[in-house]
Amino acid sequence: QQKVQQSPESLSVPEGGMASFNCTSSDRNFQYFWWYRQHSGEGPKALMSIFSDGDKKEGRFTAHLNKASLHVSLHIRDSQPSDSALYFCAARAGGYKVVFGSGTRLLVSP
Amino acid sequence: EAAVTQSPRNKVAVTGGKVTLSCNQTNNHNNMYWYRQDTGHGLRLIHYSYGAGSTEKGDIPDGYKASRPSQENFSLILELATPSQTSVYFCASGDAQSTEVFFGKGTRLTVV
Repeated sequence: QQKVQQSPESLSVPEGGMASFNCTSSDRNFQYFWWYRQHSGEGPKALMSIFSDGDKKEGRFTAHLNKASLHVSLHIRDSQPSDSALYFCAARAGGYKVVFGSGTRLLVSP
Repeated sequence: EAAVTQSPRNKVAVTGGKVTLSCNQTNNHNNMYWYRQDTGHGLRLIHYSYGAGSTEKGDIPDGYKASRPSQENFSLILELATPSQTSVYFCASGDAQSTEVFFGKGTRLTVV
């Protein structure tokens, strides 16, 4: 069974702080990685993708991928209370199957 | 934005009963997925489909069947519901060329 392990389970940061999430996959066939965000009572929504080694920055969000170590991370700078949500990493190999991590719950305190 | 509609949004079922969860997407996506979400387990893939008439087993298919009668519709069927199937179920769709998936709002199923 393909797996994506995510850490930490939960995270609390002050407003304006940096939040960081990590995922490690178990399958070298994974080629495509996404970060999703889920607010309470809603379905997850895609936040950003990363397919190549290195960093990808979109506004306050930076994703990092290291395919050699099968590690992907997400960093949110200047965190806002509206960033409080459940964050998932997702991975896909060459086929149609998309596998999600167990999620990290972020709480940003004013 | 892709529209994925799930019905019902909430369901209470009795143990041993049959439950059908429905999903409709209006963006002509080839791929559709059923996940369940439980605290501590994240989103786990139950079944998926890459087109009308196809269904594939995901990581936790036991106790579930799936049906894809058309491009737009993908159903999840619990023939004999058990309390362990109490969960929030999400349907999602995605284009064959893209790796992004779009989720519905979820169905909260309680089996008593």
